[in-house]
Amino acid sequence: RKEVEQDPGPFNVPEGATVAFNCTYSNSASQSFFWYRQDCRKEPKLLMSVYSSGNEDGRFTAQLNRASQYISLLIRDSKLSDSATYLCVVNKNTGNQFYFGTGTSLTVIP
Amino acid sequence: EAQVTQNPRYLITVTGKKLTVTCSQNMNHEYMSWYRQDPGLGLRQIYYSMNVEVTDKGDVPEGYKVSRKEKRNFPLILESPSPNQTSLYFCASSFGGLSPLHFGNGTRLTVT
Repeated sequence: RKEVEQDPGPFNVPEGATVAFNCTYSNSASQSFFWYRQDCRKEPKLLMSVYSSGNEDGRFTAQLNRASQYISLLIRDSKLSDSATYLCVVNKNTGNQFYFGTGTSLTVIP
Repeated sequence: EAQVTQNPRYLITVTGKKLTVTCSQNMNHEYMSWYRQDPGLGLRQIYYSMNVEVTDKGDVPEGYKVSRKEKRNFPLILESPSPNQTSLYFCASSFGGLSPLHFGNGTRLTVT
């Protein structure tokens, strides 16, 4: 079983739509969780960390469900510039290794 | 500016010719690591380092070497590259623990 699993998509949504991605992880002792954004095979860039209580940054909301072992990312009022691949990243309990999902592709259509 | 710098950005080489990809960070990060990214497989960890002179294998270490003689530098060495090492490589660093990773801008390697 993969450490981290994501639906690869693609998700094609109209501008202004709300879209949600989920990501599941297999190690229940995982301690830290992140969403990264990657454009056109450029380097991944941190979008937001995911905290137990959930957190919001503008149009983006991240949530963690430890009981079901998944994290989610909600994007409201999608913009064309949100088109990218979104990577879910989990840090194992040792804190030494980061595990990446294969990414979810989002295209926002005018 | 805080950053992770990789060089070169693009590299085309032939099978068996040793090469080194450099990685340097100016954020005083303890943790550094190397990843390769292949279509459909996502990012996979090659090696990581918790501190100077401390390195360990990730999930796909075969065919690679690393060293960490200084805190800021973490070069990736391919002693005898093969075509299956054609990939997009990223170096990343972090304060360690629960801190997020910061990535270099990538090295696209082609081995013919």
